[in-house]
Amino acid sequence: AQRVTQPEKLLSVFKGAPVELKCNYSYSGSPELFWYVQYSRQRLQLLLRHISRESIKGFTADLNKGETSFHLKKPFAQEEDSAMYYCALSPQGQNFVFGPGTRLSVLP
Amino acid sequence: KAGVTQTPRYLIKTRGQQVTLSCSPISGHRSVSWYQQTPGQGLQFLFEYFSETQRNKGNFPGRFSGRQFSNSRSEMNVSTLELGDSALYLCASSSTGLRSYEQYFGPGTRLTVT
Repeated sequence: AQRVTQPEKLLSVFKGAPVELKCNYSYSGSPELFWYVQYSRQRLQLLLRHISRESIKGFTADLNKGETSFHLKKPFAQEEDSAMYYCALSPQGQNFVFGPGTRLSVLP
Repeated sequence: KAGVTQTPRYLIKTRGQQVTLSCSPISGHRSVSWYQQTPGQGLQFLFEYFSETQRNKGNFPGRFSGRQFSNSRSEMNVSTLELGDSALYLCASSSTGLRSYEQYFGPGTRLTVT
């Protein structure tokens, strides 16, 4: 069965510190992985996807098939990064599976 | 472009009743997916409709059903409501379906079952 885990419910870092949001998945095939973000009082929105290998708002994520991980990283956190982050898996374009989410709090 | 809209935004129903939620996708988008979000289970995929056909389905009982109209608007119906159906129901649209990978979410309908 496909599954996405995000071990941290809450992650607090200070402004300017590096941040890493962990995501692990279980899927036997080639996964499509995504990070979605929900800022306070806003809609859930796509942050980035692994196939595009892009950096959005300073965030990057690398797919590590050996460790079945897709951790989200940013070298210097900003207060505006405070939000709920969801890792999601789409097994060959079907049935998006979301992780439980990690709330990132960037302290001043 | 106008974003995804969902109506109503809030709903209170009693056990045993049924409810219909509506979702209007972004103009030109042909795929609509529905999700249930609860504090305990997180975001769970319900189903996806593309060009009026259900293309993918999550692991929910048959009380949860949906449909899509020719203008791509979608409705979700839950019959014989249970207390556990209380949740935020989100819909998301995309241009070509889940395979397009970029889903645009609506604000959600918060359903409370008493």
